[in-house]
Amino acid sequence: ETGVTQSPTHLIKTRGQQVTLRCSSQSGHNTVSWYQQALGQGPQFIFQYYREEENGRGNFPPRFSGLQFPNYSSELNVNALELDDSALYLCASSFIVVAGSSADTQYFGPGTRLTVL
Amino acid sequence: AQKITQTQPGMFVQEKEAVTLDCTYDTSDPSYGLFWYKQPSSGEMIFLIYQGSYDQQNATEGRYSLNFQKARKSANLVISASQLGDSAMYFCAMRGNYGQNFVFGPGTRLSVLP
Repeated sequence: ETGVTQSPTHLIKTRGQQVTLRCSSQSGHNTVSWYQQALGQGPQFIFQYYREEENGRGNFPPRFSGLQFPNYSSELNVNALELDDSALYLCASSFIVVAGSSADTQYFGPGTRLTVL
Repeated sequence: AQKITQTQPGMFVQEKEAVTLDCTYDTSDPSYGLFWYKQPSSGEMIFLIYQGSYDQQNATEGRYSLNFQKARKSANLVISASQLGDSAMYFCAMRGNYGQNFVFGPGTRLSVLP
């Protein structure tokens, strides 16, 4: 059983650029959630994808968008990067039965550390 | 809305001693789940233990146990026989009955002293 993987590990971008982060879910899971963790804080929910559809969204602007693929892997895209987007981005996978139901335990990947200069 | 409070920014414990990390929560959902995660300096969030709101028994996983007091809305993590490798950030989290997301607290930094 493979765990959650994320790429890249680290990334440096400049303000105004666009970035794509990738996540492969754990075997047997059908749902991917993305979180932003600023330094010294707990993770904040960005959004969740279930069966290639967005299945819930936190308080993040539309320049944060995502995709989920048929193999349940996922991408997080951030446009027009701002300095405050510098953070650790965590992907978590889980299994839910139907959209709208709550997930069981979420298992996290190692994260991508994004620095915006 | 759900909220998690962790009032201990930092804790110290002597190796081989037990330590309790506090967590209180607020929710109006009739059913919910409570979780603890460990985050070492490497950044990965490691799942430790889960407690369902209707579970009668307190959850235990090896050296970790969850002291669940529903009326007080608290879900404290107890680590027995602390080890140097337990030094890390610890996050309490919850999910509601219909929520897709986990809500995390601000975390507690645990330092285990030799």
